[in-house]
Amino acid sequence: SQKIEQNSEALNIQEGKTATLTCNYTNYSPAYLQWYRQDPGRGPVFLLLIRENEKEKRKERLKVTFDTTLKQSLFHITASQPADSATYLCALVSPGRRALTFGSGTRLQVQP
Amino acid sequence: GAGVSQSPSNKVTEKGKDVELRCDPISGHTALYWYRQSLGQGLEFLIYFQGNSAPDKSGLPSDRFSAERTGGSVSTLTIQRTQQEDSAVYLCASSLGQGGDGQPQHFGDGTRLSIL
Repeated sequence: SQKIEQNSEALNIQEGKTATLTCNYTNYSPAYLQWYRQDPGRGPVFLLLIRENEKEKRKERLKVTFDTTLKQSLFHITASQPADSATYLCALVSPGRRALTFGSGTRLQVQP
Repeated sequence: GAGVSQSPSNKVTEKGKDVELRCDPISGHTALYWYRQSLGQGLEFLIYFQGNSAPDKSGLPSDRFSAERTGGSVSTLTIQRTQQEDSAVYLCASSLGQGGDGQPQHFGDGTRLSIL
């Protein structure tokens, strides 16, 4: 069956360090993968999209990689700040589908 | 408003009652989605609307759930004869273009539904 896995355990890091979050998937052939941020009590907010023919995408302190052989995406936040504390969701779509399928998210806590 | 608006923000109702949840998408967005998020879980797709096309209802969990989108804008999600397992946050999102083309989805803050 199709599955998207994100580490369910919270990731705790010190301010200034690089946070790395993982998204693994099975039995998908996604056309692209998106990352969203979700704060408590709020809806998800789009951060980055990476397509199947792209290896890496950057936006300010954010970097996403996409390895379709390993079926994995890594999401990096460099020089992390306490304001980066949130839950980060990966989402993907397969060709021919319209709606996104979301992982359950990883909560990031950046300690000052 | 500039963003997706959902109402009510919270709804508490007794088991067996019907509920209606409303979503106002961003003006000009032709794609509209409903998702459900249970505590500590990812988002579960419910239904997708695209313009005047027939909706994709493949995610609706039972025939107690239905949704409509009037005039290509506002959408309502109706749950009939609510059950306790329907308790969740119901999120609405809209996007430009066609679903599945990579356009970012813009989410409202959801309706937190609690069934007593």
